[in-house]
Amino acid sequence: LAKTTQPISMDSYEGQEVNITCSHNNIATNDYITWYQQFPSQGPRFIIQGYKTKVTNEVASLFIPADRKSSTLSLPRVSLSDTAVYYCLVGDPRDDKIIFGKGTRLHILP
Amino acid sequence: GAVVSQHPSWVICKSGTSVKIECRSLDFQATTMFWYRQFPKQSLMLMATSNEGSKATYEQGVEKDKFLINHASLTLSTLTVTSAHPEDSSFYICSASDPSGVKNIQYFGAGTRLSVL
Repeated sequence: LAKTTQPISMDSYEGQEVNITCSHNNIATNDYITWYQQFPSQGPRFIIQGYKTKVTNEVASLFIPADRKSSTLSLPRVSLSDTAVYYCLVGDPRDDKIIFGKGTRLHILP
Repeated sequence: GAVVSQHPSWVICKSGTSVKIECRSLDFQATTMFWYRQFPKQSLMLMATSNEGSKATYEQGVEKDKFLINHASLTLSTLTVTSAHPEDSSFYICSASDPSGVKNIQYFGAGTRLSVL
């Protein structure tokens, strides 16, 4: 499983766009990039998954450059309720075993 | 979307007793479920893979006699913490993937907070 590196923590303000970058230099050809969100005392929740270029859903966008060695999760116009830990994972979608890294603790300020 | 239910959400027990945590897939069948443990301010640590109809696969360093896993049906996996001690106090979370979807998109239970006195 490819190792990922992301900032330990980030602060932002309500209404701002937040971008969290994840590095995965050893990503394999079959690997996809997946992001999860975890609120305190809850299980993680799937946010978005992508392979290359850009993926967008109702919650976030995921930007993946051509070399796929990094990716950026973009949260538009965050609110206080977006305060959570965000995990970047890289792996083959055919493999249901996933390993979590340290994640990024995002704190949204009023 | 796929829903995974976990019960109880919170349990307190005395040292030396055993505690059972249930994980159910509500709207799909799961041949495989996963159990994680999470300490405060830390990431999720994978404990074991629960396989329907066969023995669980434990991660290195996880005591299989301490954490008993039973996956007797396609919708239920249980984790029993045997002879619990205060150091077993933690947040336990299960997950499963929807067989009609992508395997590495996991759906998680809400977690069980275990406090051992």
